[in-house]
Amino acid sequence: GDSVTQMEGPVTLSEEAFLTINCTYTATGYPSLFWYVQYPGEGLQLLLKATKADDKGSNKGFEATYRKETTSFHLEKGSVQVSDSAVYFCALAYSGNTPLVFGKGTRLSVIA
Amino acid sequence: NAGVTQTPKFQVLKTGQSMTLQCAQDMNHEYMSWYRQDPGMGLRLIHYSVGAGITDQGEVPNGYNVSRSTTEDFPLRLLSAAPSQTSVYFCASSNTGARNSPLHFGNGTRLTVT
Repeated sequence: GDSVTQMEGPVTLSEEAFLTINCTYTATGYPSLFWYVQYPGEGLQLLLKATKADDKGSNKGFEATYRKETTSFHLEKGSVQVSDSAVYFCALAYSGNTPLVFGKGTRLSVIA
Repeated sequence: NAGVTQTPKFQVLKTGQSMTLQCAQDMNHEYMSWYRQDPGMGLRLIHYSVGAGITDQGEVPNGYNVSRSTTEDFPLRLLSAAPSQTSVYFCASSNTGARNSPLHFGNGTRLTVT
C-alpha cells in the first residue's frame, strides 16, 4: 500500500543552521504531497504542499520539491529559528475522499 | 473563529469504562476524521466521514465507534476502554478531500486508561 517514510528524529540544530528533513514515499499513482507541522500542545497545521511532479511548495521560509524520479519530498529551510521547534509530518493524498497517509513525524529542536 | 473544537482536553478512564470524545467544527466542512497519535507511531487514522450519515473505517478502528448525524459533529466512542487506547486523539476536518483542501485539526484529547 501507499506509505510515507521520514528520517528518524529528533533533530537538534543551532539557530540559523540549515535544515533538511528527508521524506520519501511509495505510491501506486500520482498523489499530492504535503508537509504538516505540529507545535507543542497543538494540533497539526498545513505548512506547504505540491500537487504534481517538479512542483515546489513553500511557506514561512520552508521549501519542498516534488521529485517523482526519486519519490521524495524533502523539507528544507535555510536558517532555522527557535520558533521552528516542532514536529514535522510528511503526508500524501490522492484525489477524491481518500484520507491522508502520514509519515511518523520528525521532531525538530532549535537551540539559541 | 472556533475551527475544530475537541472536548475534553484530558481524560482518565479505568479499564472497561466507556466514554465519548466530542468533536465539533463550525466551518461547514464535509470531511471529518479521527486520528490517534502515539510515540514512534505517528498519526493513525481511526475512522473518517465524507458527509453526514456516511462513515468509514481507517487503519485502526477496533474498539471505537463513530456516527455523523450532523455536518458539524463527529463524536468518537470508546466502547470498553483498554490501556492500549492510552493516546492523544485528534479530530480533523476539511472542506473536500485531503488532496485539495487542508485538514484543520483540533488541539487534541489526551486519554489515559489505567
